[in-house]
Amino acid sequence: QQQVKQSPQSLIVQKGGISIINCAYENTAFDYFPWYQQFPGKGPALLIAIRPDVSEKKEGRFTISFNKSAKQFSLHIMDSQPGDSATYFCAARPLYGQNFVFGPGTRLSVLP
Amino acid sequence: GAGVSQTPSNKVTEKGKYVELRCDPISGHTALYWYRQSLGQGPEFLIYFQGTGAADDSGLPNDRFFAVRPEGSVSTLKIQRTERGDSAVYLCASSLSSGSYEQYFGPGTRLTVT
Repeated sequence: QQQVKQSPQSLIVQKGGISIINCAYENTAFDYFPWYQQFPGKGPALLIAIRPDVSEKKEGRFTISFNKSAKQFSLHIMDSQPGDSATYFCAARPLYGQNFVFGPGTRLSVLP
Repeated sequence: GAGVSQTPSNKVTEKGKYVELRCDPISGHTALYWYRQSLGQGPEFLIYFQGTGAADDSGLPNDRFFAVRPEGSVSTLKIQRTERGDSAVYLCASSLSSGSYEQYFGPGTRLTVT
């Protein structure tokens, strides 16, 4: 069964700190790993994504680290800001599918 | 440009009633997806359209759920004989084509079945 696990369930970080969210998958037939940010009452917004042939991708304060052998990937938010407070979802796209399999989400709170 | 739009934003209905939820994808996007998000959970895939046809409906929970996209643009998710367990946020996403990886989500329709 295709499944994506995500931890922690919730995270509290001080302003300026580093937020780290981890995801793991079991099925090896995934070929695309996006991260989405969702604010209350809004739809998920694409934040950053990575393909399995790359071990790291950085866009501004956001970095994805990908470990293919461990089937794990993580999101790092550097210099976390109160405006980053939201729920973050990792996801994976099956190699022969079009739908995303989402993790259960991490609620991030950045304290001012 | 305009993003994915969904109407209504909120829908309250009584158990047993029929509801229709509408999605208007980003202009030019040929692929359209429906997901369902329960409280405190990640979105769960329901159905995917490439053009007018449903290319993958494996996520539809049962035959009370049906979706159409007759002209390859706007899509309607239809739920018959609604149950309280159908209460959730129904999200629509679109992508440029089936070969595109990025999916862009709308704001969702919050369905409450009383």
